[in-house]
Amino acid sequence: AQKVTQAQTEISVVEKEDVTLDCVYETRDTTYYLFWYKQPPSGELVFLIRRNSFDEQNEISGRYSWNFQKSTSSFNFTITASQVVDSAVYFCALAPPWDDKIIFGKGTRLHILP
Amino acid sequence: DGGITQSPKYLFRKEGQNVTLSCEQNLNHDAMYWYRQDPGQGLRLIYYSQIVNDFQKGDIAEGYSVSREKKESFPLTVTSAQKNPTAFYLCASSIWAATGELFFGEGSRLTVL
Repeated sequence: AQKVTQAQTEISVVEKEDVTLDCVYETRDTTYYLFWYKQPPSGELVFLIRRNSFDEQNEISGRYSWNFQKSTSSFNFTITASQVVDSAVYFCALAPPWDDKIIFGKGTRLHILP
Repeated sequence: DGGITQSPKYLFRKEGQNVTLSCEQNLNHDAMYWYRQDPGQGLRLIYYSQIVNDFQKGDIAEGYSVSREKKESFPLTVTSAQKNPTAFYLCASSIWAATGELFFGEGSRLTVL
């Protein structure tokens, strides 16, 4: 069975603090893709990153960074020096390359307090 | 600008009525999806379509129907058979299924009175 678990339902941090959102996945496939999406209050999900299971290099994009560890089946997302605009619901997702279904976690609601 | 347009943004319906949610994309994407979002439940797949005139059931298709007569359009009908239709509905598309990023519309919030 394939599953994505985001254990943190809701997180609140003060602006400029760093925050890490956890994502643990389950799959028996050796090839798969992992994703992170952001859902701001407007409701529209925005794609942040896609990671191939064969590429375990960490990625940094501005204040965002992702830590992919196959050994622990985790794909964590860190926001450095958080800003109020980062307040949103963040979803982690999993997909095998031959299937059309993307499996989403339940999301983590992130509040950045001014 | 290219993107996905969902309408209406808010919709109220009486019990026993069918309602159709519109989803249009001008991204020339082959794959289109409908998701349902409930508080604390994440996104659940209702239906998806890889190509015109073809679609498959997702995890929670009961009480819903779709059509894909045109590449750019993928309307969702919430029928009276859907037991708990009040939810936020999101339409998405991708250039190819699963391995491509999903582009989402702004969603339609359906409330059954």
